[in-house]
Amino acid sequence: GESVGLHLPTLSVQEGDNSIINCAYSNSASDYFIWYKQESGKGPQFIIDIRSNMDKRQGQRVTVLLNKTVKHLSLQIAATQPGDSAVYFCAEIRNTGNQFYFGTGTSLTVIP
Amino acid sequence: EAQVTQNPRYLITVTGKKLTVTCSQNMNHEYMSWYRQDPGLGLRQIYYSMNVEVTDKGDVPEGYKVSRKEKRNFPLILESPSPNQTSLYFCASSTRLALRRYEQYFGPGTRLTVT
Repeated sequence: GESVGLHLPTLSVQEGDNSIINCAYSNSASDYFIWYKQESGKGPQFIIDIRSNMDKRQGQRVTVLLNKTVKHLSLQIAATQPGDSAVYFCAEIRNTGNQFYFGTGTSLTVIP
Repeated sequence: EAQVTQNPRYLITVTGKKLTVTCSQNMNHEYMSWYRQDPGLGLRQIYYSMNVEVTDKGDVPEGYKVSRKEKRNFPLILESPSPNQTSLYFCASSTRLALRRYEQYFGPGTRLTVT
């Protein structure tokens, strides 16, 4: 079957280190990819997106890399802080931007 | 303050008793959507709406209805709830402007339990 946004379920990093959260997908028809952050008890929050014809996009302390050859997406967080502890989801967008498919998420824990 | 609000935040109900979860946004967004979140499954899209009077099925629409009579409101209706609809529900909205169209704003969630 078709898999969407497979994540490793947990990741622990030391405060100040860089974090890399990975996401694998199998549908080559996706137009856009997005990363969301969900803190405990809250709704997801948009972090950054990347179009399918790009391979890298940078934001504030975050970088998203897209490798369409191997259908892999990653989110890099520089100098990870305690406030970065959350569940991170990748999401694919299909159907001209109307339908969103979320992965299962990776829970990031930052160790002080 | 720009926000998406949902009511109620918590609801316990019984099988078959019709309920409505309201969603409202104050950002004049065209696009609105409902998701359910279950452990190990991530978020799954139930329904979405491109604009007033325009709604479409997402990935898991069975057992749900929606309406979009006003731009700011997008209620989720469960005509006959069943225990497998016990979940955490999120409403989201976004503009359709090209550069910002995928930046969804999520509500705080509604925890629904159907017994």
